[in-house]
Order: sequence, then C-alpha cells, then structure tokens
Amino acid sequence: DAKTTQPTSMDCAEGRAANLPCNHSTISGNEYVYWYRQIHSQGPQYIIHGLKNNETNEMASLIITEDRKSSTLILPHATLRDTAVYYCIATPYDSWGKLQFGAGTQVVVTP
Amino acid sequence: GAVVSQHPSWVICKSGTSVKIECRSLDFQATTMFWYRQFPKQSLMLMATSNEGSKATYEQGVEKDKFLINHASLTLSTLTVTSAHPEDSSFYICSARGQGAQPQHFGDGTRLSIL
Repeated sequence: DAKTTQPTSMDCAEGRAANLPCNHSTISGNEYVYWYRQIHSQGPQYIIHGLKNNETNEMASLIITEDRKSSTLILPHATLRDTAVYYCIATPYDSWGKLQFGAGTQVVVTP
Repeated sequence: GAVVSQHPSWVICKSGTSVKIECRSLDFQATTMFWYRQFPKQSLMLMATSNEGSKATYEQGVEKDKFLINHASLTLSTLTVTSAHPEDSSFYICSARGQGAQPQHFGDGTRLSIL
C-alpha cells in the first residue's frame, strides 16, 4: 500500500471550510484514496473515497490531483463536532480491502 | 445505512479469564470483517481479517491462539481474547465490508481492561 503523509494537526474556524491535505506520491493505479475520521474514544467513521475523479457526498468533497499524487478532503462548513483525527489511506481495492492507518491529522474546530 | 454494532462497549476482567467481543453488521451482509487494536495515543493497528466461513488471516506478530476469531455468518464475527493479561488491555474495534467496492464501516469499539 502506498504511504500517505498528512500534517500532524490543523486548527479550523467554525463555519469555515476545512481543507485537509494528503500526500500519496507513490500511489499505484489500482489504489483508492479513503478518508476516515475518529472522534475521541469512538470507532472510525467512513467519510469518502475515490480513485481518480473528484467525489462529493453529504459529508465532504474529495479532490484528487490529476497525477493522483495528492488529495484534499474538504469539509465545507466545519462545526465543533468535526473535531477529530482524520486519516487518509491509500489501498488497492481487492477482495480484502485492508486498511493500514497512519497517525492522521488532528483537526480542532474552534468557535 | 451501513451500521456496525459492537458489544460489549467496555469490559473489566480478572487476569486469566477469556473475553468474547461480538461484531454485527445490522443492515448489510459483511463478506469481510476486520479486527483492530488501538493503544492510548496511538493509531489503529490491524490484527486480522476474516471472510465468512473461512479461517481468519492474522497480521504479523498477532498470536492466533491468543486472539480467536470466528466469522460464522455474514452478519456476525467474534473475537475471543483467551487467558487475558493486563498487557492485553486496549481498545478493540471491528469493521465490516460488503461485496463490491464497498468501504469498511466500523463499530464503536470495546474498551477492555484486565486487572
């Protein structure tokens, strides 16, 4: 699986868009980019995933660069409940779909 | 949709006892289930992967005789920590995935404390 690099922490203002970067310069053609978040003492929550096209759902948007070496998760209007550790994971889709979690980005949304 | 239920939420046991944790997919059939462990201030570590009706595949360094995994149906997987000791105290989290290009969905975890 491709290694991903994320900033250790980010602060975001409530109501503003939060843009979370992820670098995956060694990603392979069959690897998807998944984003999860983990609020303290809970299991991770699935946010979004994509292969090469930009994706949007009710939670967030995922922007993947044309060369697929990096991506950005966008939370359009951050709320205090978005405070969490956000994980960007690159993994091939196959019958196993294993996820290897890194350290992630600690996002703190402030009033 | 895509709800995964994990039980119990927390358990405290004496050293030497065995503890069983259940993981259920409530609204989808989980062809593959995963078990993770997370120590304080650390990230999740994958312990094992199981497909329904097959033996689990354990990650390197995880003792298969210590952590027994059963995935007997498309909606239920269990993790049994056998002869638990204080060093087994951790946050155990399961996830489940359906067929096709489906993401994993996680339970809320089980906090295990061995005295």
